[in-house]
Amino acid sequence: DVKVTQSSRYLVKRTGEKVFLECVQDMDHENMFWYRQDPGLGLRLIYFSYDVKMKEKGDIPEGYSVSREKKERFSLILESASTNQTSMYLCASRSGGKMNTEAFFGQGTRLTVV
Amino acid sequence: AQSVAQPEDQVNVAEGNPLTVKCTYSVSGNPYLFWYVQYPNRGLQFLLKYITGDNLVKGSYGFEAEFNKSQTSFHLKKPSALVSDSALYFCAVRDIPPHDYKLSFGAGTTVTVRA
Repeated sequence: DVKVTQSSRYLVKRTGEKVFLECVQDMDHENMFWYRQDPGLGLRLIYFSYDVKMKEKGDIPEGYSVSREKKERFSLILESASTNQTSMYLCASRSGGKMNTEAFFGQGTRLTVV
Repeated sequence: AQSVAQPEDQVNVAEGNPLTVKCTYSVSGNPYLFWYVQYPNRGLQFLLKYITGDNLVKGSYGFEAEFNKSQTSFHLKKPSALVSDSALYFCAVRDIPPHDYKLSFGAGTTVTVRA
């Protein structure tokens, strides 16, 4: 089974802190994603990576950056956390190259910025 | 851009009754449609997908979905709901090239199955 692991289930950070959310997948997937989940809004794509060191902005990249130095690891960085970034963050991965492959999700990180 | 809509925020059913979670889509070309389920404080789990072929797709945990091109719908169904099916359900559609890496999600439907 594919396993996508996010380093923290719950995080509480202060406004202005630099925050790192880590994600690791064990299936050699090319594609990795960071989504943000908010009630009534579904999931919104923050950033996407299709290969090591490659990244593309999603629908809501403002205030975020990402890093992918190794194929299995994809990090989301909040440069200066703000209260409006309080949310559930979901990492996902999928095999690249075909449109019919599903994405596999981590368990989520619930981030609270105070 | 491709999009999906889930017209119901909440669905309540009694255990043993049929369960339907609605999804409609708006796409250019052939749709690639997915259903995911999220249990409390967990990530999303894949249930099933429609790519091409049979309009009735069978998935995990006894769920199935019917693709209806004329009604642009992809409703999720289960003949006999269980209390353990209580969760948040998301419909999703894959975008078209060159953005086909993207999955666009509906807002989600909360399903409550009462004993």
